[in-house]
Amino acid sequence: RKEVEQDPGPFNVPEGATVAFNCTYSNSASQSFFWYRQDCRKEPKLLMSVYSSGNEDGRFTAQLNRASQYISLLIRDSKLSDSATYLCVVTPTGGFKTIFGAGTRLFVKA
Amino acid sequence: DTGVSQNPRHKITKRGQNVTFRCDPISEHNRLYWYRQTLGQGPEFLTYFQNEAQLEKSRLLSDRFSAERPKGSFSTLEIQRTEQGDSAMYLCASSLEGAGYTFGSGTRLTVV
Repeated sequence: RKEVEQDPGPFNVPEGATVAFNCTYSNSASQSFFWYRQDCRKEPKLLMSVYSSGNEDGRFTAQLNRASQYISLLIRDSKLSDSATYLCVVTPTGGFKTIFGAGTRLFVKA
Repeated sequence: DTGVSQNPRHKITKRGQNVTFRCDPISEHNRLYWYRQTLGQGPEFLTYFQNEAQLEKSRLLSDRFSAERPKGSFSTLEIQRTEQGDSAMYLCASSLEGAGYTFGSGTRLTVV
């Protein structure tokens, strides 16, 4: 079993749609959680951190469920510019080896 | 520009040759990471430095790979006797403790 698993997609959605991505992790001792965005042939860029209480940044909402060991990202009112690969990222407690999921591809179409 | 800088951006080399990549992290970041990414996969951890100390190294790295961070500033990643399977994007990132990473643009290696 992979340490961090994501649905690879692709998700094809129309502009204005709401789309949700889930990610599961295997190490219950994981400490820090993030979502990154990666455009084609570009480096990953931090989208947002994920907290147990849930956090929101504009159209993006991230949530963490420690009991079930999954992380979610919700994108509301999708824009064409949201088309990218979204990477789920987990860091274990006391460790440095941050683990990236393989990513979920999103295509937003006009 | 205060971002993470990587050089070269692209490298084509013949199998069996040695290559070296450089990463200049954000100056106030004490943590530096090397990752490798192949098409359709997320970045895979290679190694981690806290200041000048290499604290963790992935089992993915064979003896042909070595990384240094002299004086806790820039870092180099060397691959000796390159193989076609080494072809990938090599990403460097830096961070402060507990924070998300800032990645460089990467070095794309092609071994022919």
